[in-house]
Amino acid sequence: DTEVTQTPKHLVMGMTNKKSLKCEQHMGHRAMYWYKQKAKKPPELMFVYSYEKLSINESVPSRFSPECPNSSLLNLHLHALQPEDSALYLCASSPRGLAGVVYTGELFFGEGSRLTVL
Amino acid sequence: ELKVEQNPLFLSMQEGKNYTIYCNYSTTSDRLYWYRQDPGKSLESLFVLLSNGAVKQEGRLMASLDTKARLSTLHITAAVHDLSATYFCAVADYGGSQGNLIFGKGTKLSVKP
Repeated sequence: DTEVTQTPKHLVMGMTNKKSLKCEQHMGHRAMYWYKQKAKKPPELMFVYSYEKLSINESVPSRFSPECPNSSLLNLHLHALQPEDSALYLCASSPRGLAGVVYTGELFFGEGSRLTVL
Repeated sequence: ELKVEQNPLFLSMQEGKNYTIYCNYSTTSDRLYWYRQDPGKSLESLFVLLSNGAVKQEGRLMASLDTKARLSTLHITAAVHDLSATYFCAVADYGGSQGNLIFGKGTKLSVKP
């Protein structure tokens, strides 16, 4: 069983809606990630939080807004999305952060939130 | 820029046969990961390879890493239907997105009776 929990598992939203995806881990990991995965494609990195600070933003449109309230929680706020944003959104965590610490840990992925934008 | 190439992208095997999936990467890295993904599901970590010459085995799967050749292999022995899934290799990027994992395109494995 995964120790990274994502909610909701499925989300359908209109282009004018505001919604949020949530991710939680209690493994004491200090880095948390959002990935987007389209069908039959590999995951693409969106954001990385390291020690609760945004470390990497891979040129993601502003209609996606990440938030890391504490070391265990990661949110992705969604607003004015487009149909092409429909995808599986994966949260992951790793034991070490990026702040000058050598990356040694593997990523542990949640089950994902499948988003459909109408 | 780190690039990761997997081949083959599609693999149809008969049960009981052996095969190898290859993962090549373009710049120096010493950390490589293999993941399995079932349709509609998340990624499950299979192997973590952290040094040149690392070899790990779990059941019918064995992974190895040659950092000098920038090559990892995932060998399947006596395939069974339960191994049908998509397999991704991912390489730690110490360049532009330090600490990020760059994924290959995935190998969709189908094991037929």
